[in-house]
Order: sequence, then C-alpha cells, then structure tokens
Amino acid sequence: KAGVTQTPRYLIKTRGQQVTLSCSPISGHRSVSWYQQTPGQGLQFLFEYFSETQRNKGNFPGRFSGRQFSNSRSEMNVSTLELGDSALYLCASSLGGQGDGYTFGSGTRLTVV
Amino acid sequence: AQRVTQPEKLLSVFKGAPVELKCNYSYSGSPELFWYVQYSRQRLQLLLRHISRESIKGFTADLNKGETSFHLKKPFAQEEDSAMYYCALLTGANNLFFGTGTRLTVIP
Repeated sequence: KAGVTQTPRYLIKTRGQQVTLSCSPISGHRSVSWYQQTPGQGLQFLFEYFSETQRNKGNFPGRFSGRQFSNSRSEMNVSTLELGDSALYLCASSLGGQGDGYTFGSGTRLTVV
Repeated sequence: AQRVTQPEKLLSVFKGAPVELKCNYSYSGSPELFWYVQYSRQRLQLLLRHISRESIKGFTADLNKGETSFHLKKPFAQEEDSAMYYCALLTGANNLFFGTGTRLTVIP
C-alpha cells in the first residue's frame, strides 16, 4: 500500500509570504500529525487532526494552522513566514487510536530567505 | 507536562561493541514509549514500542517505570545501525512527543 505522501518535497519562500504544505495519509488512516524538525530543536509537535477536527495542538504561534479534509488528506499553512520557520516539516498518519503506530512521510523542506 | 530526554546528542561505538542509547521521560499518566530511527536519506520509521516487548534488528528496550527510563540496547553493534535514534512518548491525548535524538555512529 502507498505510504504517507508529502508535497512538495522542497520549497523556497521569502519572508512575509505564506505557504501551504500537503499530506496524504495511508489509506484508512484517519489521524494526521504534523511536526517541525530542525537541527537545534529536534522534532516538535505542531498539531494533530482526526476526522477533520483538530484534536491536539502544540506550542506554535497562530501563524501555523492546518486542516483536514473528508478523505483524511491534510494541509498545513504558515502565514507571514519568518527566517526561523526554515525546517523540515514532517507529516505522520495513524489509525488514530491509542497506541497505534505512526507512519511518517519524507517531509517538505522549507527554506525561508 | 510531558518530557522526553535523550542526554547524548552523539554516540560512537566500535563494531561488535554493545550499545545503549539512553532515554528518560517525565509523564504523569501511564506512558507508552517508542523508539524511532532515521537512517541516512530515509524517512523516520518506527523501530520498536514498549508494549510489544519485541526485539527488532537486535535492539531491545525495557520500560523501567521506577527510573522513568526506556533505554535502547543492542549487544553487538553493526555498521548498518549508524543512524539517528529518537525516543518518543505517546500521551493519553494521542500526542507523540519526541526527544532531541541521538546520532549513533558505528565505527568499523
């Protein structure tokens, strides 16, 4: 079966712009989580969506938002980009139940210049 | 608040030597712990979970609630074990929190 697909793989944006990243989960998975990965901070949890509802949220500013569609695909949006937003953004999907394993995508590498 | 601590950013061992990657956690509820691995140019993938109590690629990890630890061990390191290893804790709210990771290098 197809894995978790993230598009695009790479993005270069300028400060102040906004960006939308996409994640297609494994078929049948209803939970999608987003993480920001940087060399200094490691993997930081952004938010989790389950059945089109944001179920959990990390400690990121409101410039970071997301949504999930009825087919479980998810998008993440970052507005008013800052240089510090440069990172690898990872998406992970799971069935959504307690203890279900997460499957990660390859990520979208965002560079803000 | 929950926290996952991996005290070693870098760890180097010789091939055939034992390896232990440390992980300590802080969580008020009943923890579910995982080890994830990221090999060079590959995506992050699940290595093992404590509830399975299984050995994957020769690695084992035992949850020690008294010491709040979940250290990853392998008796004989192989070159292909070189990778980034992340310890992760799943909360009751289904949030998966990661430690900062340990880069393991196995020296031939």
